[in-house]
Amino acid sequence: DAGVIQSPRHEVTEMGQEVTLRCKPISGHNSLFWYRQTMMRGLELLIYFNNNVPIDDSGMPEDRFSAKMPNASFSTLKIQPSEPRDSAVYFCASSFLGLGVNEQYFGPGTRLTVT
Amino acid sequence: DAKTTQPPSMDCAEGRAANLPCNHSTISGNEYVYWYRQIHSQGPQYIIHGLKNNETNEMASLIITEDRKSSTLILPHATLRDTAVYYCIVRLDNFGNEKLTFGTGTRLTIIP
Repeated sequence: DAGVIQSPRHEVTEMGQEVTLRCKPISGHNSLFWYRQTMMRGLELLIYFNNNVPIDDSGMPEDRFSAKMPNASFSTLKIQPSEPRDSAVYFCASSFLGLGVNEQYFGPGTRLTVT
Repeated sequence: DAKTTQPPSMDCAEGRAANLPCNHSTISGNEYVYWYRQIHSQGPQYIIHGLKNNETNEMASLIITEDRKSSTLILPHATLRDTAVYYCIVRLDNFGNEKLTFGTGTRLTIIP
């Protein structure tokens, strides 16, 4: 099992540019999560999906952020336009919501730097 | 979800048991205690979880007090690879409440 796959691993962009982060969850998982981690705010949940449907997007900071999950094997997090304060590590995680353990498996993260 | 309190940092000698405490005095009867850890520059990793009874797996043991207001994660024989930030999280385990709310955790350093 390849685990959760995220791309790119590193992204450097200029303020005002559009940024798209990608995630491929573990096959068979039905929930997907996007987190952001910064030194100041720690690890925060941005949005999560169950069966490709957004369930809770209360953590999305503002309208510049959007997330989609067109199918069970792919999700994107888009920032448009990007700002320097968006610089962070963005993690994607997936899990299977069902009976038993509901553990989340995290990807390696995308380190975003906005200059 | 109930709030948790953890010491900001701890040291443990290599080969010894590492005992990481967590207070969750406002936990409700149907909330679980989860532990995750984050090794530097990696995504968080699930360790163990429990409701009332003590739990053990290949990574660690979880001891939950009888009143459920606190718990201890035990790494029985700590190695240098166990150096990480450990997060104690309390949450309900049902649909619509899958999110994990991470606090500041405990930074555990294993000393050679």
